Amino acid sequence: AQSVTQPDIHITVSEGASLELRCNYSYGATPYLFWYVQSPGQGLQLLLKYFSGDTLVQGIKGFEAEFKRSQSSFNLRKPSVHWSDAAEYFCAVGAQGNKLVFGAGTILRVKS
Amino acid sequence: GAVVSQHPSRVICKSGTSVKIECRSLDFQATTMFWYRQFPKQSLMLMATSNEGSKATYEQGVEKDKFLINHASLTLSTLTVTSAHPEDSSFYICSARDRTAFGYTFGSGTRLTVV
Repeated sequence: AQSVTQPDIHITVSEGASLELRCNYSYGATPYLFWYVQSPGQGLQLLLKYFSGDTLVQGIKGFEAEFKRSQSSFNLRKPSVHWSDAAEYFCAVGAQGNKLVFGAGTILRVKS
Repeated sequence: GAVVSQHPSRVICKSGTSVKIECRSLDFQATTMFWYRQFPKQSLMLMATSNEGSKATYEQGVEKDKFLINHASLTLSTLTVTSAHPEDSSFYICSARDRTAFGYTFGSGTRLTVV
């Protein structure tokens, strides 16, 4: 069965510091991978997605993610975090039947 | 870009009543829509997948008679929580798949409180 693991429940970084959120997936075929961000009480906004091709994917708000098949990972990065990036981040894999399977999420706190 | 409108954003209902939540794709046709439930500080749990013009496919453990899903057109899916109870209080989110691209657009969610 498909699964997504986000090992960090909470992460705190200083404003201006770099960020990396980890995501590992389990999926038998070529995965379709996504990163979403959710602010409290809101829906999910797509940051970026990977289907094929270049393994380094650029997204919105200065985020990028790198697909590493050998490590079954799709980590999200940002070189300089802004206070407005504080939110919860979800990694997801496109699974059988076209449904998405989500990780547990990582809550990002930004300290000034 | 693709937009999904979900209404209402918040609803409070009395125990035993039914509540309908609407999910509309505004600028694209969604052959498939998904309904999720999210408990506080938890991830999204898929409840059901609905395809336009056919019956919804429910995930294991989801009561299909309690959570009625209708997907009568390519732009509208509804979730009706029937005979709601306090344990049904949760955040419900819909997602629509764009038929022309492998993308999923999410609604802004509905906070249901059953009192």
